[in-house]
Amino acid sequence: DAGVIQSPRHEVTEMGQEVTLRCKPISGHNSLFWYRQTMMRGLELLIYFNNNVPIDDSGMPEDRFSAKMPNASFSTLKIQPSEPRDSAVYFCASSFLRMNYGYTFGSGTRLTVV
Amino acid sequence: TQLLEQSPQFLSIQEGENLTVYCNSSSVFSSLQWYRQEPGEGPVLLVTVVTGGEVKKLKRLTFQFGDARKDSSLHITAAQPGDTGLYLCAGKGSGGSNYKLTFGKGTLLTVNP
Repeated sequence: DAGVIQSPRHEVTEMGQEVTLRCKPISGHNSLFWYRQTMMRGLELLIYFNNNVPIDDSGMPEDRFSAKMPNASFSTLKIQPSEPRDSAVYFCASSFLRMNYGYTFGSGTRLTVV
Repeated sequence: TQLLEQSPQFLSIQEGENLTVYCNSSSVFSSLQWYRQEPGEGPVLLVTVVTGGEVKKLKRLTFQFGDARKDSSLHITAAQPGDTGLYLCAGKGSGGSNYKLTFGKGTLLTVNP
């Protein structure tokens, strides 16, 4: 398996533009997570899907953020409109929903909003 | 909200030295995981500890889970430059939150040749 695949690796956009981040989880994993990492706040959980259904979106900062998982092999995180404070590294991770199973993370998307 | 405090935040040592990093919380976790993250990559799972007092060894790395399942430590013996990276601990909740991993901010380790 190629692991969790995220695209793009880097994104530079202007304030106010729409940004879409993409993720392909590991085949067979039933849980998918979007995290955001910054120096100040570390890794923060944005949203969690189980069997393609959003279960916990309490970490989504505000209505400008939305996430979808139309099928078991694809998820998107969209920011519209983007703001400079959204600049961060966004990670997608997938896992089995079992007590001691770890997460497999993608390589992340480094987003810079200017 | 479950918080994990990691210390030290930064650690720079010479090759061959030993070190210990700590992960502390006031909350009880059903299990605790350690990850290592290298620049430009996502975190990679090193180990999961489940039972209070549990000790696991992974080559030169020794992981311990506190008796009360609130804290953990990672000890590295004879550190090598390849050990350089950000070490993250993450606690898993229980019951309805058993999917949720809460991460500490990490210890950035640099091992100089």
